[in-house]
Amino acid sequence: ETGVTQTPRHLVMGMTNKKSLKCEQHLGHNAMYWYKQSAKKPLELMFVYSLEERVENNSVPSRFSPECPNSSHLFLHLHTLQPEDSALYLCASSQESGIRGNTIYFGEGSWLTVV
Amino acid sequence: AQSVTQLGSHVSVSEGALVLLRCNYSSSVPPYLFWYVQYPNQGLQLLLKYTTGATLVKGINGFEAEFKKSETSFHLTKPSAHMSDAAEYFCAVIQTGANNLFFGTGTRLTVIP
Repeated sequence: ETGVTQTPRHLVMGMTNKKSLKCEQHLGHNAMYWYKQSAKKPLELMFVYSLEERVENNSVPSRFSPECPNSSHLFLHLHTLQPEDSALYLCASSQESGIRGNTIYFGEGSWLTVV
Repeated sequence: AQSVTQLGSHVSVSEGALVLLRCNYSSSVPPYLFWYVQYPNQGLQLLLKYTTGATLVKGINGFEAEFKKSETSFHLTKPSAHMSDAAEYFCAVIQTGANNLFFGTGTRLTVIP
């Protein structure tokens, strides 16, 4: 148990569906992240939020839409995805963003399959 | 720009043998370095990290890593492999700016009984 909980753990969706991934952290952290993990590729940072404000967006397609209603919750809204978007989506949190050496804690991930 | 290279996408060792997972980094500023482990169907768990101070860093589960600036390396070692060490291991370096961890492509460790 890392203190970062992701739901659902597995999701299968069609290309025309709209779904959301949810992340909740119980660590009292101020920063939250979405990462994408694809086979044989390095983890890719998608979004960073600090105190509910987006501070980084690494050129992610608009079919991925993040939402951070408070410092404990982070969502990733998905719509009109492509099969190549199938991957493990990891949520993470840290005490602060922008501070080097700050440890990032990961959730167990949500396996997404787009059919 | 910062980057991480992990040599060997797969490493196999016998149970009880030395584990050595290699990581080299590229950074224009003093780096902060991390090793994470990912067990099957799980997220990433921090093994250890180097920020400042002692260059030999000890982590969980008997792992340690040594920061060698002259070699731009941060190799992960464990004296004696256990079956439970079978997992994927990721080296990461902090990127300047918004606290972005830049990851290597990972090394899958197999432990042979």
